[in-house]
Amino acid sequence: NAGVTQTPKFRILKIGQSMTLQCTQDMNHNYMYWYRQDPGMGLKLIYYSVGAGITDKGEVPNGYNVSRSTTEDFPLRLELAAPSQTSVYFCASTQGLQGETQYFGPGTRLLVL
Amino acid sequence: AQSVTQPDIHITVSEGASLELRCNYSYGATPYLFWYVQSPGQGLQLLLKYFSGDTLVQGIKGFEAEFKRSQSSFNLRKPSVHWSDAAEYFCAVSFGGYNKLIFGAGTRLAVHP
Repeated sequence: NAGVTQTPKFRILKIGQSMTLQCTQDMNHNYMYWYRQDPGMGLKLIYYSVGAGITDKGEVPNGYNVSRSTTEDFPLRLELAAPSQTSVYFCASTQGLQGETQYFGPGTRLLVL
Repeated sequence: AQSVTQPDIHITVSEGASLELRCNYSYGATPYLFWYVQSPGQGLQLLLKYFSGDTLVQGIKGFEAEFKRSQSSFNLRKPSVHWSDAAEYFCAVSFGGYNKLIFGAGTRLAVHP
């Protein structure tokens, strides 16, 4: 039982490049989330999904896109990377009941130069 | 708007000393409250959570937290800190119907031998 896995662990992008951050969970959780963590700012919600085919914006969605074609996978897409997207990205999942624990992946560190 | 405040950015304690990390929230009703810990280079791990019942909750690694409705606070405590407790600690609030989390900015804990 691997929990929540994220790839890659670290990536350097040039401005304007695109990439997809991968997130997979093996707990059969319905709800999945993407957060970004900037120094001194805590974590901010980018997008979330309540099931396959259903996604919605969080607090800071600009510059990102998501899709959810399966229960297990929730990739995050950066279309035109900008220096402001330099951050650590965390994926999380939970079964969905209010107050349930969110389980986090190890994170992807992204540097945009 | 909902918010979470952790007033202390950095705290340094000696090993064996007691610890209290502060957390205040702004929310229209009693929220679901969480404390997460993040070790360097790692994802977030749940320490404890509260949503009803006894206002003093016990968590893993010897941590506890007390919910005080009158002060809108959910402070984390540990009677005797170990060097392995050095990490960053995040208080979070869950709101709405989709278990979304709002995080505080975090408190970085250093432990002196």
